[in-house]
Amino acid sequence: QVQLQQSETELVKPASSVKISCKASGYTFTSNYMHWIRHQPGNGLEWIGWIYPGNGNTKYNQKFDGKATLTADKSSSTAYMQLSSLTSEDSAVYFCARSVNYGSFDYWGQGVMVTVSS
Amino acid sequence: DTVLTQSPALAVSPGERVSISCRASEGVNSYMHWYQQKSGQQSRLLIYKASSLPSGVPARFSGSGSGTDFTLTIDPVEADDTATYFCQQSWNDPLTFGSGTKLEIK
Repeated sequence: QVQLQQSETELVKPASSVKISCKASGYTFTSNYMHWIRHQPGNGLEWIGWIYPGNGNTKYNQKFDGKATLTADKSSSTAYMQLSSLTSEDSAVYFCARSVNYGSFDYWGQGVMVTVSS
Repeated sequence: DTVLTQSPALAVSPGERVSISCRASEGVNSYMHWYQQKSGQQSRLLIYKASSLPSGVPARFSGSGSGTDFTLTIDPVEADDTATYFCQQSWNDPLTFGSGTKLEIK
């Protein structure tokens, strides 16, 4: 069955970077877009961008351009998101999600809580 | 960005029919999708492209609408349907989400 297993909780310092992962299994990793989504209490869900692992193409929400960098490793069926120049405003739960029909998401990861604090 | 507006909460009794609305600030064609999010669980896709039911989702769930006004209907509601339901559009860039409607089963 399809699973998206995300990495563990991160506690990071301001101005640093963090790279979180999303390991896919149960389907052909290179055949579906992988999206990243942020959830902050009070701000709801925000779409960060997608990567197509088949060719590495990416698209970002303009809001996260320069903040997030999406990559994928076909050999391990793992998608990554690096967040840079972190501030407390980046503290959130980050999800990966596989897109299927018409831009809907049929499988989600369990989420990674990233806390930015000194 | 396309803002999706949902009412914050609803309460219904088991066996009743409930309609959850999502209004878009601009047209999204029929590219509206609905999800169920239960506490501690991953989000579940219930409806895609306004009215299509993914495999495995019970026919109690249905969707309707196009343009700017969309509805998710659950009929009949069951006790296990206690959850937050949110909409998402994929017609306009960037993709956006509603803030969610918390459904309480009395």
